[in-house]
Amino acid sequence: QLQLQESGPGLVKPSETLSLTCTVSGGSISSSSYYWGWIRQPPGKGLEWIGSIYYSGSTYYNPSLKSRVTISVDTSKNQFSLKLSSVTAADTAVYYCARRVTMVQLDAFDIWGQGTMVTVSS
Amino acid sequence: DIQMTQSPSSLSASVGDRVTITCRASQSISSYLNWYQQKPGKAPKLLIYAASSLQSGVPSRFSGSGSGTDFTLTISSLQPEDFATYYCQQSYSTRFTFGPGTKVDIK
Repeated sequence: QLQLQESGPGLVKPSETLSLTCTVSGGSISSSSYYWGWIRQPPGKGLEWIGSIYYSGSTYYNPSLKSRVTISVDTSKNQFSLKLSSVTAADTAVYYCARRVTMVQLDAFDIWGQGTMVTVSS
Repeated sequence: DIQMTQSPSSLSASVGDRVTITCRASQSISSYLNWYQQKPGKAPKLLIYAASSLQSGVPSRFSGSGSGTDFTLTISSLQPEDFATYYCQQSYSTRFTFGPGTKVDIK
């Protein structure tokens, strides 16, 4: 059974870089039908897609965050990572990693990590 | 970007009620519409994909319909475990966007 687990600091100072890692277990990150993504949710608010990556390293990002976001993949560790630079209080949120499945008729985030709360504060 | 709206933003219902939630896209997205359920403190869970296909393991009281710009999620008989927030999400564009959510709580 595939599982995703986020890890990283829960507190980041303003103007610094938020760094999170998602570890995939129970399956390979290199499967051809899947992309891997980051989605966040500010406290009491809705979901915002941040960006996604394919195991080959191909990425695509939310245009509103693109200038500050880098997503990378390490297939040897079965992990992918998020870096968000120049953070402000507006970046305080629960950050989820998720698998995006792309098959005929199915293009959705079908497996999610439990989420990790990141607070931006000095 | 494709904007997603949902109505209502919240609703109160009783166990056994039929519940309908509407999602609208700012442009046609064919059937590239997914529905998620989120309970407090938990990650979202995929319920419906491609507008009307039930994800494996999801109870049959959940159903989805629609195409183009207008979509509906229906819970035929609300159960205690269904009280949650529901989000729609378009996958027509790889600039994925979610609706603002509909909170279903107990009347």
